[in-house]
Order: sequence, then C-alpha cells, then structure tokens
Amino acid sequence: GAVVSQHPSWVICKSGTSVKIECRSLDFQATTMFWYRQFPKKSLMLMATSNEGSKATYEQGVEKDKFLINHASLTLSTLTVTSAHPEDSSFYICSARLGTYNEQFFGPGTRLTVL
Amino acid sequence: DQQVKQNSPSLSVQEGRISILNCDYTNSMFDYFLWYKKYPAEGPTFLISISSIKDKNEDGRFTVFLNKSAKHLSLHIVPSQPGDSAVYFCAASAGQGAQKLVFGQGTRLTINP
Repeated sequence: GAVVSQHPSWVICKSGTSVKIECRSLDFQATTMFWYRQFPKKSLMLMATSNEGSKATYEQGVEKDKFLINHASLTLSTLTVTSAHPEDSSFYICSARLGTYNEQFFGPGTRLTVL
Repeated sequence: DQQVKQNSPSLSVQEGRISILNCDYTNSMFDYFLWYKKYPAEGPTFLISISSIKDKNEDGRFTVFLNKSAKHLSLHIVPSQPGDSAVYFCAASAGQGAQKLVFGQGTRLTINP
C-alpha cells in the first residue's frame, strides 16, 4: 500500500514554456501532499505543502507564481512550472502524507530539463 | 541553519557486515524521525521510523536507535546486502500532525561484495 505515482517521469521542454507534473496517491487518500526539488548531490528541498481544497503553502524563497500548485482532489496534486527557464531544470519529487504522524510516501520523481 | 545533519556523505561496508548510518539534529521540538532510502533518479522509499517516546524500533534487518539527550539517531542494517547500496536520508518532524519533514543531506552507502 501507500503508492504514489508521478507523471511524467521525465520531460524536456523549451525555455518559456510551461510544464505540468501530476502526483497521484494510488491506494489512499491524501489530504496533504508535498512538492520537493532535489539538486544534484543535495538534500530534498521542500518547495510547498499542498492541502486538498485550499491554497498551497510555499516555503520561503519559492515563487508562487512560477510554481503553481493545485490539489483539487484527495488523490491528485499538480505542479505547473510556468515560463520555465534552464535554471528550473531539476528533479521534482512529490509525496503524500499518510496517517496522523508525518509519514510521507514519495513518488518516483520527475526529471525536468529546460533547454 | 541545518537542523538535521548527516555528517558522513559516504560510507562503504563489506557485504554481510553491519552498516551504521548516523544523524544528528538540533531542534528539541522534533519528536518523530524517519529514514528513507533513495536510488538515483527515483523518489525516496520509506524504511523505518521512530517516535520520541521510544529509543529503539526494529523492522527486519533495519533498526533505528534514538538518543534524545544527545539528539542523535542511527540506522543499523544487518546483515548488509548489495541491494542496500543507495543514499539514505534521515528526516524529522515536530508535533503530531506536523506538516513538514526536515531532511538531512543524505549518506551514500556502498556495500562491497
């Protein structure tokens, strides 16, 4: 149980375009999902916390207008990277929270490359 | 301010021996700790967790020890297997129902045959 999927697993796009990444909890309902970014050989950096039916809470330094998060249902959250630039190239990982403790189960990640 | 620290970026262990990964934290409000395993280009996989009311939690080959006074936790893997080679992250959260996990920098574990 506690499977989280992400789509796409990798994407290459041109600078200036927008890219949408989906995160789904497959066998449980997740009221809270999280979006992380990982730079090479670095830890996971929390970008935002997404609560179903409400606005996402962004971490300091993360641009809300650039990284649009929508959590329309208990099993789906989306991250849209708007007007992507090469510096947005990274590995984006979502997670979904299970239970009252903060056990998070992670998706497989999405590799974004902006040319 | 790195609230969760894994001071060893890498660790190499012989197959069959014990692997010990260490993690230190500074925030005394942390009361729940988790270990994740991550392969390249994949999302982290949850391994084991421990609440601050315990000092040990065991699950198969994996045991997590928590020393609250030292603000230190460790993950023991025994016996180590080649498939254990991965990056291991410790993470911590504060308060039941807490929203955030704070991650350490990770330790790359290599198991040598």
